[in-house]
Amino acid sequence: DSGVTQTPKHLITATGQRVTLRCSPRSGDLSVYWYQQSLDQGLQFLIQYYNGEERAKGNILERFSAQQFPDLHSELNLSSLELGDSALYFCASSVEARLEETQYFGPGTRLLVL
Amino acid sequence: GQQLNQSPQSMFIQEGEDVSMNCTSSSIFNTWLWYKQDPGEGPVLLIALYKAGELTSNGRLTAQFGITRKDSFLNISASIPSDVGIYFCAGQPNAGNNRKLIWGLGTSLAVNP
Repeated sequence: DSGVTQTPKHLITATGQRVTLRCSPRSGDLSVYWYQQSLDQGLQFLIQYYNGEERAKGNILERFSAQQFPDLHSELNLSSLELGDSALYFCASSVEARLEETQYFGPGTRLLVL
Repeated sequence: GQQLNQSPQSMFIQEGEDVSMNCTSSSIFNTWLWYKQDPGEGPVLLIALYKAGELTSNGRLTAQFGITRKDSFLNISASIPSDVGIYFCAGQPNAGNNRKLIWGLGTSLAVNP
């Protein structure tokens, strides 16, 4: 158990819908990262927040957005969902924002768009 | 976006065999990290490398930061069934947008007992 929690574990929805994925980092961690993992693209970095502010952006679509709240939990919002958005979405956390730090990954949310 | 070339894509080996996988990049990296993802779980950090030439071990695992700073390898000695999983390399570029890690596509390892 990494100490990072993600909800829900599974999500099934239809194209065009909007969903919110939630992540609670390890106690004391200030950074939260979001990743998308699909079979053909591997692990894709989406976005990082540090202490409530966006720090780095990866291959995140404009239909996707995220935020980190004052209690440091984070939400990833996916809208106008397409079939190709079906994937595993991981959240990870680290103490600070230094990239060489260990990132602790949550168990993931499996999203299926029908 | 920028991606690391990780090879091989998959491996199927017998228990007890040694395993080697590597990552290469066209540009210089400051940090190399190796993660392992067990089936149904998130990745877990195995080894972190911070300077060129560095050789670091973690039990049966050994990883090296290439002298050119453009590559890294991971070796697993005397493989066991619990080594099954996907191994990812990740690195921090030296230039450009180096505030994010670049990830390889993973090496899927299967071990036949």
